[in-house]
Amino acid sequence: TQLLEQSPQFLSIQEGENLTVYCNSSSVFSSLQWYRQEPGEGPVLLVTVVTGGEVKKLKRLTFQFGDARKDSSLHITAAQPGDTGLYLCAGAGWNTGNQFYFGTGTSLTVIP
Amino acid sequence: EAGVTQFPSHSVIEKGQTVTLRCDPISGHDNLYWYRRVMGKEIKFLLHFVKESKQDESGMPNNRFLAERTGGTYSTLKVQPAELEDSGVYFCASSQARTGLANTEAFFGQGTRLTVV
Repeated sequence: TQLLEQSPQFLSIQEGENLTVYCNSSSVFSSLQWYRQEPGEGPVLLVTVVTGGEVKKLKRLTFQFGDARKDSSLHITAAQPGDTGLYLCAGAGWNTGNQFYFGTGTSLTVIP
Repeated sequence: EAGVTQFPSHSVIEKGQTVTLRCDPISGHDNLYWYRRVMGKEIKFLLHFVKESKQDESGMPNNRFLAERTGGTYSTLKVQPAELEDSGVYFCASSQARTGLANTEAFFGQGTRLTVV
């Protein structure tokens, strides 16, 4: 059973376009993190959201945590080729110990 | 400051052989985690050390997997004997505090790609 569903799985867009990646679950999380992973590297943390309804901005990236703490979204404005990579969401729960539950990831390609 | 390092970066072994993966966490990080990603699936938790003690090993697939962290520094993950379904990328991560806490960041290594043939 997949705890965190990410969509879309693959996304290929032109430079300058906007995009949104979704991370959905039927479970409630105490916090949710977004990572970006490049080939041959490990995931690198982008942001942590902890409060229901929270919105965080990181330059052209906007992260939102759902009011019910079950879902999250990542919006990229004016995508650039450097944004290309695998985007992963990971949730931590009050009753899940210290482990993260990862989504399957969204592979983003930004075409120059 | 050095990040989390893993060795080897790639390993190809035959079914039935033994492989040992190593992880060196960031210095001073008491919490160390092993995760695994098999082809087409999500990254899944294997186990968590606090210093040298196993805090949670609920994600270990079976008794062919043995993780150790002697002295609370580096950790090893041994697979013996390896099976085809063990192929995947094994990630190690470390953190100062446990990752269940809201503002704790876990730092991941580059992973070891294991291929069992």
